[in-house]
Amino acid sequence: GQQLNQSPQSMFIQEGEDVSMNCTSSSIFNTWLWYKQDPGEGPVLLIALYKAGELTSNGRLTAQFGITRKDSFLNISASIPSDVGIYFCAGQVRTGTASKLTFGTGTRLQVTL
Amino acid sequence: DSGVTQTPKHLITATGQRVTLRCSPRSGDLSVYWYQQSLDQGLQFLIQYYNGEERAKGNILERFSAQQFPDLHSELNLSSLELGDSALYFCASSASPGGGGNEQFFGPGTRLTVL
Repeated sequence: GQQLNQSPQSMFIQEGEDVSMNCTSSSIFNTWLWYKQDPGEGPVLLIALYKAGELTSNGRLTAQFGITRKDSFLNISASIPSDVGIYFCAGQVRTGTASKLTFGTGTRLQVTL
Repeated sequence: DSGVTQTPKHLITATGQRVTLRCSPRSGDLSVYWYQQSLDQGLQFLIQYYNGEERAKGNILERFSAQQFPDLHSELNLSSLELGDSALYFCASSASPGGGGNEQFFGPGTRLTVL
């Protein structure tokens, strides 16, 4: 199945550092979303972006919807240990009441003290 | 807690068997989505139902089927199970597929192990 290109694949950072990850696609999406998943749990929605060029923040998280509608990035500032987990981007295509999410390959974040 | 519930949490069965996974969406959500997550394929969209009707299909095998009932809960049926069907199966729900505010919220998942 299709997956979006997400990078980096994994990151080891120190507490307090800023983190940046991005997602690219060959297809255009109506909406970009970023999720975080802890082991054995379901993905938890972090940020949703609806318009090309949109920049949205949620606490220490900032995400942008690329101008071409084919990419997005997520920044985490001043990382803390609970930021550990796998981060997924997802592109959404909507046609009427039909909707599909295509997920990225994931970025595994590990934070050291 | 997303408000989406899934049962059972774990399921162990044998090849060739049939299982049913159940999902209850968030209160008021009309759309239900099913996803499969495996190590080699990542998170893959299977199927969407909106208010009881199928609306979108992804990489769902013919051995798999789903339905959404009048009370809006949904079931995913997996039959003639193979070892490769072992995966985490997630259900998600959204208020309405159109326009802003239709973000999908995920349940805790069902871990299926086929032996």
